[in-house]
Amino acid sequence: EAGVVQSPRYKIIEKKQPVAFWCNPISGHNTLYWYLQNLGQGPELLIRYENEEAVDDSQLPKDRFSAERLKGVDSTLKIQPAELGDSAVYLCASSSHIGQTDTQYFGPGTRLTVL
Amino acid sequence: ILNVEQSPQSLHVQEGDSTNFTCSFPSSNFYALHWYRWETAKSPEALFVMTLNGDEKKKGRISATLNTKEGYSYLYIKGSQPEDSATYLCAISGSARQLTFGSGTQLTVLP
Repeated sequence: EAGVVQSPRYKIIEKKQPVAFWCNPISGHNTLYWYLQNLGQGPELLIRYENEEAVDDSQLPKDRFSAERLKGVDSTLKIQPAELGDSAVYLCASSSHIGQTDTQYFGPGTRLTVL
Repeated sequence: ILNVEQSPQSLHVQEGDSTNFTCSFPSSNFYALHWYRWETAKSPEALFVMTLNGDEKKKGRISATLNTKEGYSYLYIKGSQPEDSATYLCAISGSARQLTFGSGTQLTVLP
């Protein structure tokens, strides 16, 4: 079974430029998550999707971040414009259900560097 | 907001040594504890999910225990190997049905 796929793996951009990250979850997983991981910290949830609906986006900085999950499968996370402080690892995860004991399966992440 | 703390922040051990780390969390509003292993340039890998007080899980040389009354979990590695080098993350799921992660323990096993 293929795992969660993310691209690109690495991205270097200049500040004020736009950037987009793509995620393909495990087949059949209805729930998709985007996390932000800053150096030395644990991942923090940005947004959670149930199928194509964003059910928890309270931590997403909506002035510059946006996300979509068309057709309830792949998802894209966008930053426009990027700031220096956005340099981090962006992780995508998926799970088959939303219960507290359900395992979230993570992709390898996209490491973003904003210069 | 749940506060999950992990200690130590980093750890260096010699190959063959056994080691353990701690994850502390508020005992109220607890539903489950998750342990992940994250090797550099790879995806975080799920190790264990535990829910009940006194739970013990084992996977090869790695095991974990859970004390929900006092709010902590221990992760043990027996006979550490260089391939065990990774960051070990714990996360709590509460009533909000989202994972709150600790900052991780970075383990380096020296050959």
